[in-house]
Amino acid sequence: EAGVAQSPRYKIIEKRQSVAFWCNPISGHATLYWYQQILGQGPKLLIQFQNNGVVDDSQLPKDRFSAERLKGVDSTLKIQPAKLEDSAVYLCASSFGTNTQYFGPGTRLTVL
Amino acid sequence: GESVGLHLPTLSVQEGDNSIINCAYSNSASDYFIWYKQESGKGPQFIIDIRSNMDKRQGQRVTVLLNKTVKHLSLQIAATQPGDSAVYFCAETISGGYNKLIFGAGTRLAVHP
Repeated sequence: EAGVAQSPRYKIIEKRQSVAFWCNPISGHATLYWYQQILGQGPKLLIQFQNNGVVDDSQLPKDRFSAERLKGVDSTLKIQPAKLEDSAVYLCASSFGTNTQYFGPGTRLTVL
Repeated sequence: GESVGLHLPTLSVQEGDNSIINCAYSNSASDYFIWYKQESGKGPQFIIDIRSNMDKRQGQRVTVLLNKTVKHLSLQIAATQPGDSAVYFCAETISGGYNKLIFGAGTRLAVHP
């Protein structure tokens, strides 16, 4: 079966610019997660969707980060405006209910 | 791609040796634990999991041990191969909730021929 797809794989932007990441989960997975992984650290959950509803966004910096999953399948994560400290790998994962999470390859963001 | 393990503790082993990677978890209420492997430029890949009603679980060449008394997990890899070189993360969660994973800091495993 196809895995979690993410695009772009790499993005370089100037601080204060905006950026968007896209994720397509494994078919049939109702739960979708966005994680931020800073170099040298483990992934940190930003937001979790169950179908098109948010179940946890407690660690999402809502003044600059937003995410949506309008039709309960694909999802986008946006940062506006970006800061230097947002440089990280943004990982998308999906699961069938609360079972094992499967991760995509991630998008590496560099903010200059 | 750039390594995710540049500043992580590193375990260096010879090919064919057994590897043991340790992890301390933080929440005594956590009852489900997972080990993930992350190769450079890739997302974390599920290796093995264990629930708190067990203290040992075996997979293919991997064994996870859980000590709830001291909140400690270990991952044992038998006959370590070059393809095992990666960063390894443990993650904890509370089952029955929203499946929110809390990841540990990670350990880089370097396998030398």
